[in-house]
Amino acid sequence: KNEVEQSPQNLTAQEGEFITINCSYSVGISALHWLQQHPGGGIVSLFMLSSGKKKHGRLIATINIQEKHSSLHITASHPRDSAVYICAVRRNFGNEKLTFGTGTRLTIIP
Amino acid sequence: DAGITQSPRHKVTETGTPVTLRCHQTENHRYMYWYRQDPGHGLRLIHYSYGVKDTDKGEVSDGYSVSRSKTEDFLLTLESATSSQTSVYFCAISAGQGARNEQFFGPGTRLTVL
Repeated sequence: KNEVEQSPQNLTAQEGEFITINCSYSVGISALHWLQQHPGGGIVSLFMLSSGKKKHGRLIATINIQEKHSSLHITASHPRDSAVYICAVRRNFGNEKLTFGTGTRLTIIP
Repeated sequence: DAGITQSPRHKVTETGTPVTLRCHQTENHRYMYWYRQDPGHGLRLIHYSYGVKDTDKGEVSDGYSVSRSKTEDFLLTLESATSSQTSVYFCAISAGQGARNEQFFGPGTRLTVL
């Protein structure tokens, strides 16, 4: 079983819909990262969380440390949000290394 | 982008040949990482460095070696490339410390081993 699990693996939605991507992990962590990768593109850091909630524009990330779960929400989704969203965790005492989920492929249809 | 570049960006090579990928950063960050990205596996750590001449193995280090002779450059070498090493390789750095630590990624190198 992977230490970091994301769901769903694939998600297709209409423009304007509210999107939720989930990440569950099974190890003790000091931080959780959400990353975005556009097709054929590089990887961009969206959020780094150790508790609570963060918001940037239409993106919101939350984390529940007790439940070992994080969610990434996109409000008023747009076709340019189509990308792979990757969850990664930094373990406690992990020498700054990250463990990654396999990603969620999001497609927003106009 | 934290000033990270990778070279080459694309490479096609033959089985058994040595290959070296270069990661260069301009902001003097201590930690540097090499990952490979394959369908169904997500990003996996190959090797990382926590300072000049200080490196350690990641989860998929077999068949790879690294060197860091100066802060700005982290080299990944495939001593004798195999088809299973066909992948997209990303370099990354850690900026900040502790709770402010974020990772920033280079643009990637697509390697094909025939």
